[in-house]
Amino acid sequence: EPEVTQTPSHQVTQMGQEVILRCVPISNHLYFYWYRQILGQKVEFLVSFYNNEISEKSEIFDDQFSVERPDGSNFTLKIRSTKLEDSAMYFCASSEHFGGYGYTFGSGTRLTVV
Amino acid sequence: SQQGEEDPQALSIQEGENATMNCSYKTSINNLQWYRQNSGRGLVHLILIRSNEREKHSGRLRVTLDTSKKSSSLLITASRAADTASYFCATDTGANSKLTFGKGITLSVRP
Repeated sequence: EPEVTQTPSHQVTQMGQEVILRCVPISNHLYFYWYRQILGQKVEFLVSFYNNEISEKSEIFDDQFSVERPDGSNFTLKIRSTKLEDSAMYFCASSEHFGGYGYTFGSGTRLTVV
Repeated sequence: SQQGEEDPQALSIQEGENATMNCSYKTSINNLQWYRQNSGRGLVHLILIRSNEREKHSGRLRVTLDTSKKSSSLLITASRAADTASYFCATDTGANSKLTFGKGITLSVRP
């Protein structure tokens, strides 16, 4: 069964450093998303991406965050200058159709900012 | 309360018993989905029910949707120890495909 692949599975970074989280969505999917889950809390929407541009972003997704689909297969989330509160599990997801159908999540990247 | 709130927050049952988890939401939805998350792991899609559906089955899972009450329930029948996990409901309003998750229910199934 097709999977959404995320790398790395764990990343530890120092506060103020830039991090790039990588995702390979399912190949025929057109809609891409990043969500995050702070430990013990609910999963929160960060950003959706379609047709090479951001469709929607949440209040969390401020100027420190950016997304890119550099080569037609990878989908990346960059955090420019990490803060302690950015420590969370970050999930990438993709879907073939609009409307929330056929969502597939990756297994996540656990980011720890120290 | 927030969009997609589950109750109870935690549920502990004996293997073989049925587990019922509820989710309430506030706005109109396009569909509602249930996900499972094993500790520290990824989100696994369980089942999706559209706004024009009232009940859906998938194996040992049964989900209902009452749009008049803005609520859904997930029933896991004949539970197993391997069902121990956190369960989340997520709503899609159809405006932009983003999902809004609840806080989750921690299910413990005792062997």
